Amino acid sequence: KNEVEQSPQNLTAQEGEFITINCSYSVGISALHWLQQHPGGGIVSLFMLSSGKKKHGRLIATINIQEKHSSLHITASHPRDSAVYICAAQFGNEKLTFGTGTRLTIIP
Amino acid sequence: GAVVSQHPSWVICKSGTSVKIECRSLDFQATTMFWYRQFPKQSLMLMATSNEGSKATYEQGVEKDKFLINHASLTLSTLTVTSAHPEDSSFYICSALAGGLEQYFGPGTRLTVT
Repeated sequence: KNEVEQSPQNLTAQEGEFITINCSYSVGISALHWLQQHPGGGIVSLFMLSSGKKKHGRLIATINIQEKHSSLHITASHPRDSAVYICAAQFGNEKLTFGTGTRLTIIP
Repeated sequence: GAVVSQHPSWVICKSGTSVKIECRSLDFQATTMFWYRQFPKQSLMLMATSNEGSKATYEQGVEKDKFLINHASLTLSTLTVTSAHPEDSSFYICSALAGGLEQYFGPGTRLTVT
């Protein structure tokens, strides 16, 4: 069964802290997506990766294929980073299987 | 970058009426689009895969006669919720496949059925 698990479910941190959100999946994937959903509901695609590491600004995404694990890191976190972060796995086809999301709150 | 729009962004309708939601890829062509629904504090659930020029593929448990999907062009897919009921109230999101595995998401449509 294709499963995606995220941790933690909720995360509160002080502004400036380094943030890590984890994602594990059950079987081999073709790609792993990290998405951001703001309170209004709109979803932004942050990263799509199938190996290694990608960086965009203060966001870094890594994936370890052997361990079936991916992490999303935020450096120098800011209150505007507060959102729900969702990982989603593609298991060989175009469909995505979503994790339950991590609600991140950054306190000024 | 690739942009996907949805219209309307929110809609309130009466029980028993039908509502159409549009999903457009603005600067790219999308042969495949996906429709998701999301209940409060839950993750997205795939409803159907929409392919241009052919019938949509619905996920198990999704009523195809209730959620009509039309993908008439490479930039437009529509979802029509027919005979809406209060339990259909949800956040509906589309995404479009921009070649390869890259998916771009629309901003979502919040449907409230009274």
